[in-house]
Amino acid sequence: DAGVTQSPTHLIKTRGQQVTLRCSPKSGHDTVSWYQQALGQGPQFIFQYYEEEERQRGNFPDRFSGHQFPNYSSELNVNALLLGDSALYLCASSHTLGNGANVLTFGAGSRLTVL
Amino acid sequence: GENVEQHPSTLSVQEGDSAVIKCTYSDSASNYFPWYKQELGKGPQLIIDIRSNVGEKKDQRIAVTLNKTAKHFSLHITETQPEDSAVYFCAASTHAGGTSYGKLTFGQGTILTVHP
Repeated sequence: DAGVTQSPTHLIKTRGQQVTLRCSPKSGHDTVSWYQQALGQGPQFIFQYYEEEERQRGNFPDRFSGHQFPNYSSELNVNALLLGDSALYLCASSHTLGNGANVLTFGAGSRLTVL
Repeated sequence: GENVEQHPSTLSVQEGDSAVIKCTYSDSASNYFPWYKQELGKGPQLIIDIRSNVGEKKDQRIAVTLNKTAKHFSLHITETQPEDSAVYFCAASTHAGGTSYGKLTFGQGTILTVHP
């Protein structure tokens, strides 16, 4: 049973460019959350998608946007990249209802470097 | 919003010793407290969690204690092994009703090194 898969694993962009990161949730999960982890820091919540809608959002600007598809996979888009956007972007999936709710399974992340 | 403080930032122990990592949180509404282990190049992996209706939970060499009055919780690892070396994160969130909101607020992490 595959866990959470993310692509690409590494990418390099320059300031002002746009990036799209992709995530496939663990089988059986219907909710996808995105986190940004700067070097040496704990992950910070960006937003969460459920039933193809953004359900919650953290303290991130509108340059960060996302999408969830009918098969529960998700994309994170970041526009007008800044140097400070360099980080590991983590996708986490969960099941919204029933036992085990709130239990997140994380992917290995996409390492974004902005030059 | 929620704020989670984690201490110590680094912890070095000898194999076989115990390790304790402590976290405090600010939002009294928080009721779910997971601990994650992150190895180099990997995403965080859940190792144990506790909900607010329980004061202690144990899983083999790992235990977590929760004091809701003082708003702090701790991770205890006994009989540490070199493979326990990793970064450990505590987190807190609010589980509202019957749905998962998945918004975890993480601590800053503890780098645990277990020396053979």
